Amino acid sequence: DAGITQSPRYKITETGRQVTLMCHQTWSHSYMFWYRQDLGHGLRLIYYSAAADITDKGEVPDGYVVSRSKTENFPLTLESATRSQTSVYFCASSWGGAGANVLTFGAGSRLTVL
Amino acid sequence: GEDVEQSLFLSVREGDSSVINCTYTDSSSTYLYWYKQEPGAGLQLLTYIFSNMDMKQDQRLTVLLNKKDKHLSLRIADTQTGDSAIYFCAEISSSGSARQLTFGSGTQLTVLP
Repeated sequence: DAGITQSPRYKITETGRQVTLMCHQTWSHSYMFWYRQDLGHGLRLIYYSAAADITDKGEVPDGYVVSRSKTENFPLTLESATRSQTSVYFCASSWGGAGANVLTFGAGSRLTVL
Repeated sequence: GEDVEQSLFLSVREGDSSVINCTYTDSSSTYLYWYKQEPGAGLQLLTYIFSNMDMKQDQRLTVLLNKKDKHLSLRIADTQTGDSAIYFCAEISSSGSARQLTFGSGTQLTVLP
């Protein structure tokens, strides 16, 4: 299917466990992003990637790891989950070229850390 | 860092106009965006405006930009119950190389019958 897909859509885990959220896009977009959405904070950028093998920190990177070995995939790993990482996570992608740089979002992954 | 602010809630009657406001601090913003998020879904782009424009109209949507005051608004004419959602304002800066958007906290629009 064309578009941007996230998996899993829902995940419950325990404190201290490792969790990986997957993101896959079919447009060959250069840029990919991970945001978290929390009540009262809107969307905050965790990490982004300008191309395969190029990643950089956003506003709230602590406790997260990303990789981008292929253009189409951008997994987000919580190496040791904490309750404060309970959130809804959104992946997005864009061409990144000059102009409006419209981000297209996935449907989100709702993570609960007990 | 740069900041984008919105009021958290807005209620309107069906058929009335809705006006959602946003302020931003980055004077080098090049594009400003409005995204809509329906319950349980991701964000969908509604419209965007280039910073050298002061108005953009798209069917029931009107975007007004006051660059001097760094104020952006989204007007929805003839608001319908299907317009109930969270609306996010966002901006992208010419000074950033990451092509990342900075989002406001979102305005929850409730349309009353």
